[in-house]
Amino acid sequence: DQQVKQNSPSLSVQEGRISILNCDYTNSMFDYFLWYKKYPAEGPTFLISISSIKDKNEDGRFTVFLNKSAKHLSLHIVPSQPGDSAVYFCAASLGTDKLIFGTGTRLQVFP
Amino acid sequence: DSGVTQTPKHLITATGQRVTLRCSPRSGDLSVYWYQQSLDQGLQFLIQYYNGEERAKGNILERFSAQQFPDLHSELNLSSLELGDSALYFCASSVIAGSYNEQFFGPGTRLTVL
Repeated sequence: DQQVKQNSPSLSVQEGRISILNCDYTNSMFDYFLWYKKYPAEGPTFLISISSIKDKNEDGRFTVFLNKSAKHLSLHIVPSQPGDSAVYFCAASLGTDKLIFGTGTRLQVFP
Repeated sequence: DSGVTQTPKHLITATGQRVTLRCSPRSGDLSVYWYQQSLDQGLQFLIQYYNGEERAKGNILERFSAQQFPDLHSELNLSSLELGDSALYFCASSVIAGSYNEQFFGPGTRLTVL
């Protein structure tokens, strides 16, 4: 039972363009959502988060959008840079310490 | 560098064996989390300790156990290993309990069961 889904295993974007990573969830009780970035041979690092009472949160080049009616969130990276090439995981919380992660999307930003 | 350390980096062992993975949280962090990442899978939450006490449990097998010691480091014990236990095991820590606090991840231990 995959409660958090990232249906695109990979995404390729040209440098300077927008990268949009998508995440769908099934449990309407999730109250907090997070994005983590992971480089090879390293652990995931926190990127940005959003509470379920908001629909948008922005931090520099990164913006997360939450559509509760569609149970969908997305991460926008503008402009994309080669250093953004990594695996991106979305995660959701039920108000507890347990995070439920998606399977990840591998983003490649090419020149 | 997240400040979370995990040892060993790699571990190769045989089916039926037992291994111990070690995690040292960031200085000052009281909460430790363990995750498993199998091939092409997301991170699966296993268990969380807060200041020495078990706080939350995920899909952790009965063959697996963990503890957090008074100095706050944590160990994950995996026994009667099976081929399917081959995975990356991550430890994360946070200052206090609560998912709203950013979790800082270690580099992981790659376990290979032959």
